[in-house]
Amino acid sequence: SQTIHQWPATLVQPVGSPLSLECTVEGTSNPNLYWYRQAAGRGLQLLFYSVGIGQISSEVPQNLSASRPQDRQFILSSKKLLLSDSGFYLCAWSVSHEQYFGPGTRLTVT
Amino acid sequence: GQNIDQPTEMTATEGAIVQINCTYQTSGFNGLFWYQQHAGEAPTFLSYNVLDGLEEKGRFSSFLSRSKGYSYLLLKELQMKDSASYLCAVGGSYIPTFGRGTSLIVHP
Repeated sequence: SQTIHQWPATLVQPVGSPLSLECTVEGTSNPNLYWYRQAAGRGLQLLFYSVGIGQISSEVPQNLSASRPQDRQFILSSKKLLLSDSGFYLCAWSVSHEQYFGPGTRLTVT
Repeated sequence: GQNIDQPTEMTATEGAIVQINCTYQTSGFNGLFWYQQHAGEAPTFLSYNVLDGLEEKGRFSSFLSRSKGYSYLLLKELQMKDSASYLCAVGGSYIPTFGRGTSLIVHP
């Protein structure tokens, strides 16, 4: 069966510090991969998606970037965090239609 | 683009039936999804409708009318654990667009 891992589960970072969140998927090949952010009381905002290794599409221009160095690995990064980057970050995968989400990383920028 | 509307909050009584509506306007349609999200947790997939009609899965059913841009999620025999946010999402070619979610509160 397929599983998706995200780490860390929680993170507190100061403004201006770098960020790296990692997501890996097991039990499937060539999945579509997604990064979402969910601010408190808000809906899911799609940040990036990838349909293959090295292929990244950005939905929202901002100080975040994403990379897919391997088929089942998706990384979200920032060189300098802003206060507005605080939120619940979710990685998801799909191979057909429905998406399956990882457990999420709760990021607080102080 | 996509525009999805669903009520912000609903309340219901344990054991009752509740219907959560979702309307959408879309430039492309690849199916409609419902997800459940408990507070502090990730969304989990509930249902997928691509054709008109009702799909039943245990206590949960989902309905779609493509001509009306309308869907609903029906929850029967409500339990306290059904208190959660319910997200309606419309599928594009690779990318679903999510509504803001309906917070359902089930009380005794």
